[in-house]
Amino acid sequence: SQQGEEDPQALSIQEGENATMNCSYKTSINNLQWYRQNSGRGLVHLILIRSNEREKHSGRLRVTLDTSKKSSSLLITASRAADTASYFCVIQGAQKLVFGQGTRLTINP
Amino acid sequence: EPEVTQTPSHQVTQMGQEVILRCVPISNHLYFYWYRQILGQKVEFLVSFYNNEISEKSEIFDDQFSVERPDGSNFTLKIRSTKLEDSAMYFCASSADRGNYGYTFGSGTRLTVV
Repeated sequence: SQQGEEDPQALSIQEGENATMNCSYKTSINNLQWYRQNSGRGLVHLILIRSNEREKHSGRLRVTLDTSKKSSSLLITASRAADTASYFCVIQGAQKLVFGQGTRLTINP
Repeated sequence: EPEVTQTPSHQVTQMGQEVILRCVPISNHLYFYWYRQILGQKVEFLVSFYNNEISEKSEIFDDQFSVERPDGSNFTLKIRSTKLEDSAMYFCASSADRGNYGYTFGSGTRLTVV
């Protein structure tokens, strides 16, 4: 299928620690996007990484992409309570985004 | 920062009634989308809209659904005769191009059909 599969499904860490979430996919891609969703709320675009890029940074976020392994990772450094949310790696089809189940991240104070 | 605005934030309707969910995309965006998320499930694509016509739709987007851009700023999703299974969070999104620079989502409308 076209969707990304996030791993782990749930992750619980202490505030200040780093959080790493992984994504695997099966199709060829033009780009891969990461989104965050706070409980029951809207989707926030975090980072877009293109197929010819290997790594991208935005503040405390670092995304890597390995097209040979069809995998991506999202690293959140120095986590905060406000980072508690679900995180999705999203594959873009011709006209649409395909979401997986996401990783539910909980930051414990 | 520009936002996609959705109204209402929560709508309760009786089964069989028509509902219209409203969205104001970012003003210079050309592509518009509706997605939905049933409680506890994945976010699902419904429809994409460009140049005043539907460019792609999913199997979910049957004859009960329609979209419209009635003026230069609004983008609406109409469900003609709601069913219980239409209860979900509906998200509007827009993008400047075909999403090659990311999509901006609204905060969603929670639709509850009773």
